[in-house]
Amino acid sequence: EAQVTQNPRYLITVTGKKLTVTCSQNMNHEYMSWYRQDPGLGLRQIYYSMNVEVTDKGDVPEGYKVSRKEKRNFPLILESPSPNQTSLYFCASSWGRGREVYEQYFGPGTRLTVT
Amino acid sequence: KNQVEQSPQSLIILEGKNCTLQCNYTVSPFSNLRWYKQDTGRGPVSLTIMTFSENTKSNGRYTATLDADTKQSSLHITASQLSDSASYICVVSAKYGGSQGNLIFGKGTKLSVKP
Repeated sequence: EAQVTQNPRYLITVTGKKLTVTCSQNMNHEYMSWYRQDPGLGLRQIYYSMNVEVTDKGDVPEGYKVSRKEKRNFPLILESPSPNQTSLYFCASSWGRGREVYEQYFGPGTRLTVT
Repeated sequence: KNQVEQSPQSLIILEGKNCTLQCNYTVSPFSNLRWYKQDTGRGPVSLTIMTFSENTKSNGRYTATLDADTKQSSLHITASQLSDSASYICVVSAKYGGSQGNLIFGKGTKLSVKP
């Protein structure tokens, strides 16, 4: 079954404790992205990757890191989480050509709470 | 500035009724427009993708229209069901841009279908 998986689905942590949210897709997509979703603000892109070893900042990259060592995986790293990073996070993948992105497939989401 | 505005913010309708959601955008140059359905706490799922040359596209009881001249799109839901209760997100892709396909997200319309 074609899918995007994220782990963990729920996470409560404390300020400053490094964490990683994993994302994996089995569709051989070149493009992968991370978004955060907050009430009243909609989905905002954090980072994206157009292929292995190619990553770039989205609209709200501060406080986050990513890596793309393999095509299927795109982990999101919070080196020193802060309470303002409490949010619902989504990973997405898609086909693409150049900078044009086709249909995106979203993961189930990771609800992160930083106290 | 590229923007996507959706209206209404929220909508309550009775089961079996029809409804129409609106999306106005100022994205240029335009590449495509997508409608997503997002159930509470889950990742968005694509309903339709329309390019410049497409005026209408259907997916079951969902019909999207696009007027590229006025930069407006609508999503019409026919014979609503309780399972249609969700947020509906309009996303516009610009042809060129700094980020991945320069996807601009609307904040969504929250639809509640009551029995």
